[in-house]
Amino acid sequence: EDQVTQSPEALRLQEGESSSLNCSYTVSGLRGLFWYRQDPGKGPEFLFTLYSAGEEKEKERLKATLTKKESFLHITAPKPEDSATYLCAVVPGSQGNLIFGKGTKLSVKP
Amino acid sequence: DAMVIQNPRYQVTQFGKPVTLSCSQTLNHNVMYWYQQKSSQAPKLLFHYYDKDFNNEADTPDNFQSRRPNTSFCFLDIRSPGLGDAAMYLCATSPQKRGETQYFGPGTRLLVL
Repeated sequence: EDQVTQSPEALRLQEGESSSLNCSYTVSGLRGLFWYRQDPGKGPEFLFTLYSAGEEKEKERLKATLTKKESFLHITAPKPEDSATYLCAVVPGSQGNLIFGKGTKLSVKP
Repeated sequence: DAMVIQNPRYQVTQFGKPVTLSCSQTLNHNVMYWYQQKSSQAPKLLFHYYDKDFNNEADTPDNFQSRRPNTSFCFLDIRSPGLGDAAMYLCATSPQKRGETQYFGPGTRLLVL
């Protein structure tokens, strides 16, 4: 069964304290892995798409990496405005729907 | 800016009273999706349109219907809302086919009294 697991469920950081969010997946082939940011009461905002193991993408303080079993979202020197829920989703090779993880709720305190 | 727009942002309805949620897009994307998201849960796909072809997820209740009159607009109809249908409803689009990056609208928060 295709599955996505995100950890931790919640993460509290001090401003400037770097850390990583994990997304592990079990799918029958991988067509793509997606990271989204979701603020309370809003729709998910697209961050990155990764397609193959070894691929990395960066945007400001965020860097996403991909292996054959998991993806990491690294946050360098976070700021309070980075506080949000980060969702990971995959598209299995067998079908075209996004399968979401439950998300990691990140809180960054000043 | 090209975007996905949802109206209204907040909708209050009564138990059993039909309600329609609206989604429009200026991205000219071929595929449009409707998701339901309950508090602290992942978005759950209800159905999608690939151009004019409608695709229903197996576990989507019959209470939920959708219409796509043209490329830009898509509607979600809830025929007889129950208390369990209170949720955030998200519309998303992707360019040409499933499996591509999906772009989400801001969502409509539905409250059922």
